[in-house]
Amino acid sequence: NAGVTQTPKFQVLKTGQSMTLQCAQDMNHEYMSWYRQDPGMGLRLIHYSVGAGITDQGEVPNGYNVSRSTTEDFPLRLLSAAPSQTSVYFCASRGGYEQYFGPGTRLTVT
Amino acid sequence: QQPVQSPQAVILREGEDAVINCSSSKALYSVHWYRQKHGEAPVFLMILLKGGEQKGHEKISASFNEKKQQSSLYLTASQLSYSGTYFCGPGGDGNYQLIWGAGTKLIIKP
Repeated sequence: NAGVTQTPKFQVLKTGQSMTLQCAQDMNHEYMSWYRQDPGMGLRLIHYSVGAGITDQGEVPNGYNVSRSTTEDFPLRLLSAAPSQTSVYFCASRGGYEQYFGPGTRLTVT
Repeated sequence: QQPVQSPQAVILREGEDAVINCSSSKALYSVHWYRQKHGEAPVFLMILLKGGEQKGHEKISASFNEKKQQSSLYLTASQLSYSGTYFCGPGGDGNYQLIWGAGTKLIIKP
């Protein structure tokens, strides 16, 4: 039981490049979400999904897209990377009250 | 609106007690508490529900005052392993999403 996995762990992008952050869970959780964490701040919700085929925006969705074709996978796409998107990104899944977080992806946009 | 956590940081000696507070400007139906160690993902500590129910993994106590829209986390006889940043995430009625506080950094010294 791997829990929540994220790839890559580190990524450096140039401004304007696009990429996909991968997230997968093997706990059969319906609810999954993406957060970003900046220094001195808490977690901010980017997008979330309550099941396959259903996604919605969180607090800070601009510049990001998501899709949920399966229960297990919830990728996050950066459309055109900007320096303001430099952050640590966490994916999480939730079956009941408890959210399980992946190890995070540290993204730097230059 | 982001909940307000206080204090922002606290330094303790091993064995001392600490209280971390979380205040929300919106009506609270639940409060979630997580701890994050440096370079790691947040980990669930407990949830407090309207009506007094609590669910959690560790022997950490907390209170939830629905009228004052506040929650407090009580760390007694602190251990070195308690070090980390503590986040609260108030939950609304039927609302999966959490708006997280900025965190309280707890440093335990031997």
